[in-house]
Amino acid sequence: DAKTTQPPSMDCAEGRAANLPCNHSTISGNEYVYWYRQIHSQGPQYIIHGLKNNETNEMASLIITEDRKSSTLILPHATLRDTAVYYCIVRGIGGQNFVFGPGTRLSVLP
Amino acid sequence: GAVVSQHPSWVICKSGTSVKIECRSLDFQATTMFWYRQFPKQSLMLMATSNEGSKATYEQGVEKDKFLINHASLTLSTLTVTSAHPEDSSFYICSLRLAGAGEQYFGPGTRLTVT
Repeated sequence: DAKTTQPPSMDCAEGRAANLPCNHSTISGNEYVYWYRQIHSQGPQYIIHGLKNNETNEMASLIITEDRKSSTLILPHATLRDTAVYYCIVRGIGGQNFVFGPGTRLSVLP
Repeated sequence: GAVVSQHPSWVICKSGTSVKIECRSLDFQATTMFWYRQFPKQSLMLMATSNEGSKATYEQGVEKDKFLINHASLTLSTLTVTSAHPEDSSFYICSLRLAGAGEQYFGPGTRLTVT
């Protein structure tokens, strides 16, 4: 599975959009981009995933570049409860498991 | 998404004793379950992959005789930490994946403290 690179930390003002970038330059054609988040002392929570098209659900939007070498997770109106570590993971649909990197620690500030 | 539960949510045990952690899928049948471990300020590390009805596959460096995994049914997997030591103190998280699906769903985690 392709490796991902994320900034170690980011701050965002409450009510503003949080844009979390992820680089996955070695992604292959059949690999999906998944986003999870982990709030302190809890298990990871699924957010969204996509292959090549942009995706949106009730939690977030996922924007994948045309060459698929990077993506951005967008939380449209960040709240204090969105403070968490966000993980970007690349894996094929038949891949065995998720490999977690260090992620991005997002702090939403009042 | 799928609901995954773990029991207990936290446990304190004495060094040398064994502790069993249960992971249950509440609303679907999971053929594959994963066990992760997370030390403070670190990311999740996969310990083993558990398949229903067969032996678990352990990652390199994880002692299979110390961390016993039993995937007895499509809704239950257990992790037993045998002869626990203080260095086994960690946050243990199970994860399940639907057959043919991409997403994995994670349990809330079990915090183990060995004194």
